[in-house]
Amino acid sequence: DAGVIQSPRHEVTEMGQEVTLRCKPISGHDYLFWYRQTMMRGLELLIYFNNNVPIDDSGMPEDRFSAKMPNASFSTLKIQPSEPRDSAVYFCASSSGPSNYGYTFGSGTRLTVV
Amino acid sequence: QQPVQSPQAVILREGEDAVINCSSSKALYSVHWYRQKHGEAPVFLMILLKGGEQKGHEKISASFNEKKQQSSLYLTASQLSYSGTYFCGTEMVGSNQFYFGTGTSLTVIP
Repeated sequence: DAGVIQSPRHEVTEMGQEVTLRCKPISGHDYLFWYRQTMMRGLELLIYFNNNVPIDDSGMPEDRFSAKMPNASFSTLKIQPSEPRDSAVYFCASSSGPSNYGYTFGSGTRLTVV
Repeated sequence: QQPVQSPQAVILREGEDAVINCSSSKALYSVHWYRQKHGEAPVFLMILLKGGEQKGHEKISASFNEKKQQSSLYLTASQLSYSGTYFCGTEMVGSNQFYFGTGTSLTVIP
C-alpha cells in the first residue's frame, strides 16, 4: 500500500495566483480530510468528505478556498487567489472510519505564498 | 472544544519515562494519539474508545479515563526515536467533530 499520496510536496507561488493541491487516499478508505498546520494555530480541519460527499466544510477559511472529490481516489484543494497568510503545510488524511480507526496522513504540501 | 495537552514540552534522557496528558471539557467518545517528527506527517499511534481502556504499543501505552474526560500517554524507557511532537485528538460524545490538541514536544537526549 502506497499510503496517502499528496502532490506537490512544495509549492511557492506569488500572491494572487491560483494554487491546487492534490491528494490520493488509501484505496478503500471512505473518509478524506484536509488539514492545515501552522505554528500559531496547530492542526486545523478544513473540510472532510465521506464517500466523496463533503460533510463538514466549516473549517474552510473563506470563499477563496474550495475542495472537490470527483471520485474515491482523488481530491483537490484549491486556493484562488492565494495570500501570504495561506502559507502553511496542508495535509490530506484518509480513514476507514475515524471514530474507530486512526487517520493516515499524507506527506503534506508545504505552501509558501510570497 | 480543542483538548488541552500538558506539558507543552519535555526533555528526557534515554531510558527515562514520560507522561503526556490530554484533557477535554466535554464528554469524550474516543481519543487518538499521534506522533509527528520534524518535517514529517503525523503518524497514528493508537485509539482509545469510550468505556475506559488502556492500550499498549511497543513501550508506549495510553489510558482513557472517561469520568475525568482525559487520556494519558505513557512512554517508558524512552529511546532517541521517540523524539517528536505528540498530539492527542478527541471526538466528543454525540458529535462527529474531531479536534487535535496543541501538541507536546518531546526530546530524548543521549
